[in-house]
Amino acid sequence: KAGVTQTPRYLIKTRGQQVTLSCSPISGHRSVSWYQQTPGQGLQFLFEYFSETQRNKGNFPGRFSGRQFSNSRSEMNVSTLELGDSALYLCASSPGRPYSGANVLTFGAGSRLTVL
Amino acid sequence: AQKITQTQPGMFVQEKEAVTLDCTYDTSDQSYGLFWYKQPSSGEMIFLIYQGSYDEQNATEGRYSLNFQKARKSANLVISASQLGDSAMYFCAMREGANAGNNRKLIWGLGTSLAVNP
Repeated sequence: KAGVTQTPRYLIKTRGQQVTLSCSPISGHRSVSWYQQTPGQGLQFLFEYFSETQRNKGNFPGRFSGRQFSNSRSEMNVSTLELGDSALYLCASSPGRPYSGANVLTFGAGSRLTVL
Repeated sequence: AQKITQTQPGMFVQEKEAVTLDCTYDTSDQSYGLFWYKQPSSGEMIFLIYQGSYDEQNATEGRYSLNFQKARKSANLVISASQLGDSAMYFCAMREGANAGNNRKLIWGLGTSLAVNP
């Protein structure tokens, strides 16, 4: 069974540009979460989607947005890129509704964004 | 405020020996879940083990076990018989329970880098 697929794996952008990252969850998984990972801040929660609805949102500025499609695939978008947005962006999917304790997340390999 | 603390930025262990990675957490909830993930240099986060706050027994998954001490709010990961492939970053994470309302994201520690020496 295919895992969580994230594209692109690596990308380089310049300040002020925008970027769209894509995530295809495991087949049958309906919940998708996004995390930003940086050396200084560790992993920080961006947002969580279930059945095309954003169920949960982290403390990030409005430049960070996302959506989920009817096939559970998800995209996140960062507009007006800043140097501090350089990070590994991880997507994770899970089978159940987002509000269950042992809702184990399966992660993709991430999209590494570098902003110059 | 940070709710997951991993006090060991880096650890070394000899191949075939056991190693304990520390994790302490802070929550006012009675219902919560604790997770350990491994992140090799490839970047993918790999789930290792889960412990629910109401689970009476310590979780075990193959060579991984979780030393859960609820009163001390610690959830240390024990890796037995270390292998070279265990070299990676290890993250402890927590999801709070019903009282957290919509805030059921995973909260992460900063990780411990484990190096297994041959």
